Amino acid sequence: AQSVSQHNHHVILSEAASLELGCNYSYGGTVNLFWYVQYPGQHLQLLLKYFSGDPLVKGIKGFEAEFIKSKFSFNLRKPSVQWSDTAEYFCAVTSGGSYIPTFGRGTSLIVHP
Amino acid sequence: DVKVTQSSRYLVKRTGEKVFLECVQDMDHENMFWYRQDPGLGLRLIYFSYDVKMKEKGDIPEGYSVSREKKERFSLILESASTNQTSMYLCASSHRTGPWGQPQHFGDGTRLSIL
Repeated sequence: AQSVSQHNHHVILSEAASLELGCNYSYGGTVNLFWYVQYPGQHLQLLLKYFSGDPLVKGIKGFEAEFIKSKFSFNLRKPSVQWSDTAEYFCAVTSGGSYIPTFGRGTSLIVHP
Repeated sequence: DVKVTQSSRYLVKRTGEKVFLECVQDMDHENMFWYRQDPGLGLRLIYFSYDVKMKEKGDIPEGYSVSREKKERFSLILESASTNQTSMYLCASSHRTGPWGQPQHFGDGTRLSIL
């Protein structure tokens, strides 16, 4: 069965700092990869996705993620965070012909102004 | 824009009650999901439905059932509510296209407290 690991459970940064959140998955075949974000009091929404093609994908609000197949990773990055990026971030993977994504446990990001 | 609407944002019920959580989506999505979200545990899948009247158990189906009589509506039922079912419940939907589907769209969630 697929598993997804988000190694950073809580991250605290100051504004303008760079961000990288780790995501690793276990299944070695073809995968679809997603990052979702949940701002305080809001619903989960898609940040970016990778299906195929260029392994560097760009999402909303200046976020990007890089798919490294050899490392089973899909890390999320942002060069300069803002206070408004304070949120919970979830990595998710679908694979093996299943429509059911496997989610990581999430990373809580707090950005201090 | 896809809209997934959950019937209540907050709900308080008593132990032993039968509780219904409703979810409606307006984009003709084939797949619908119910999750519970607890701090430190992420999203855990309760049930999944890929078509009307079709359902599959997720990771934590015990104590729950679901109903999907119409494509746009997916209901979660707590047969006899217990305090350990106090949680945030999230509904999601997605298209059933491509080999492994499309991104999910989530509702605002229902924060359920069982007293």
